[in-house]
Amino acid sequence: QLQLQESGPGLVKPSETLSLTCNVSGGSISGSSYYWDWIRQPPGKGLEWIGTIYYSGTTYYNPSLKSRVTISVDTSKNQFSLKLTSVTAADTAVYYCARHSAHRGYDHWGQGTLVTVSS
Amino acid sequence: DIQMTQSPSSLSASVGDRVTITCRASQSISDYLSWYQQKPGKVPKLLICSASSLQSGVPSRFSGSGSGTDFTLTISSLQPEDFATYYCQQNYNTPHTFGQGTKLEIK
Repeated sequence: QLQLQESGPGLVKPSETLSLTCNVSGGSISGSSYYWDWIRQPPGKGLEWIGTIYYSGTTYYNPSLKSRVTISVDTSKNQFSLKLTSVTAADTAVYYCARHSAHRGYDHWGQGTLVTVSS
Repeated sequence: DIQMTQSPSSLSASVGDRVTITCRASQSISDYLSWYQQKPGKVPKLLICSASSLQSGVPSRFSGSGSGTDFTLTISSLQPEDFATYYCQQNYNTPHTFGQGTKLEIK
């Protein structure tokens, strides 16, 4: 059974870099049918797509975050990662990693991790 | 970016009611539309993909329809566990965008 698990600091200072990792277990991240995404949800608000990566390393980012976001994949560790630079309080959110296949929905999600940006 | 607009933003209904939530895309997205259910403090759950394809394990009282720009999620007979927030999401192209959500509350 596929499982995704986010890990990383729960508190980041303003102007610093938020770094999260999603560990995938119960299945290979190298499967050709799937993409691996980061999605976030500010407290009390809706869902925002951050970006996606294919196992080959191909990435697509939300234009609203593109200048600050990097998503990478490590197939040897079966994990993918998110880096978001120059964070502000507006980046405070629950960050989810998730899987989708082309033109289909997010069928597997991590449990989410709250990242608070505060000094 | 493709904008997804849900209506209503909130809805009060009773157990047993039939409920319909609509989602409109700012341009045609064919049938690349998914619906999610999220309960407070929980992870979103995929209910329907490809506009009308029910995910395994999702009760048959949930159904989806539509194509192009207009889509609906229908719950045929509300159960107590259905009170939650529902989101539509397009996966036609990037950025993948979500609707703002519809909060379904108990009347």
